[in-house]
Amino acid sequence: AQSVAQPEDQVNVAEGNPLTVKCTYSVSGNPYLFWYVQYPNRGLQFLLKYITGDNLVKGSYGFEAEFNKSQTSFHLKKPSALVSDSALYFCAVRDLSGAGSYQLTFGKGTKLSVIP
Amino acid sequence: EPEVTQTPSHQVTQMGQEVILRCVPISNHLYFYWYRQILGQKVEFLVSFYNNEISEKSEIFDDQFSVERPDGSNFTLKIRSTKLEDSAMYFCASSPGLADYEQYFGPGTRLTVT
Repeated sequence: AQSVAQPEDQVNVAEGNPLTVKCTYSVSGNPYLFWYVQYPNRGLQFLLKYITGDNLVKGSYGFEAEFNKSQTSFHLKKPSALVSDSALYFCAVRDLSGAGSYQLTFGKGTKLSVIP
Repeated sequence: EPEVTQTPSHQVTQMGQEVILRCVPISNHLYFYWYRQILGQKVEFLVSFYNNEISEKSEIFDDQFSVERPDGSNFTLKIRSTKLEDSAMYFCASSPGLADYEQYFGPGTRLTVT
């Protein structure tokens, strides 16, 4: 079975500082990893994904994430946070190797607050 | 930019009643999904649908739930006899393919069962 852990319920960062939102995963096969963002009263918006290739992937709004196979992590990063980045961030994984290959398994989410 | 749309945004129903949640996936997408998020909890997979049949479902998706693509554009989730614990935000999603593709989510329908 696949699973995702987001160890921090909330991350606070000052505007202009770098931010990191942590994610670790567990799958039996090769992971397909995703980050989504949810603004209040909105659906989940896709930010970026790792399928294969370069471990550093770049996505929307200046976000990037680094895939680390040995640490089974996929942390979301941004060099300089904006107040408008304040939202709920979800990490998700898919494992195409067997049962459950269609579904995304989500972490519980991390609330990011960027302080002006 | 194409979006997944869902109606209604909020549905209130009494326990035991049937509800139908509606979704219009992105037009050239082939895979369709329903997820739910109980307040304060994780987003949970319910079901995936491809080629007019269910391709995968979770333990949550029991006989009270059904999905349908009635007319080639809409994708519906029916809950036959709602329970209090069905109260949640229900998200529809679609994707153009399976392997390398992200899923695009709608804004959700908040279902409140009283």
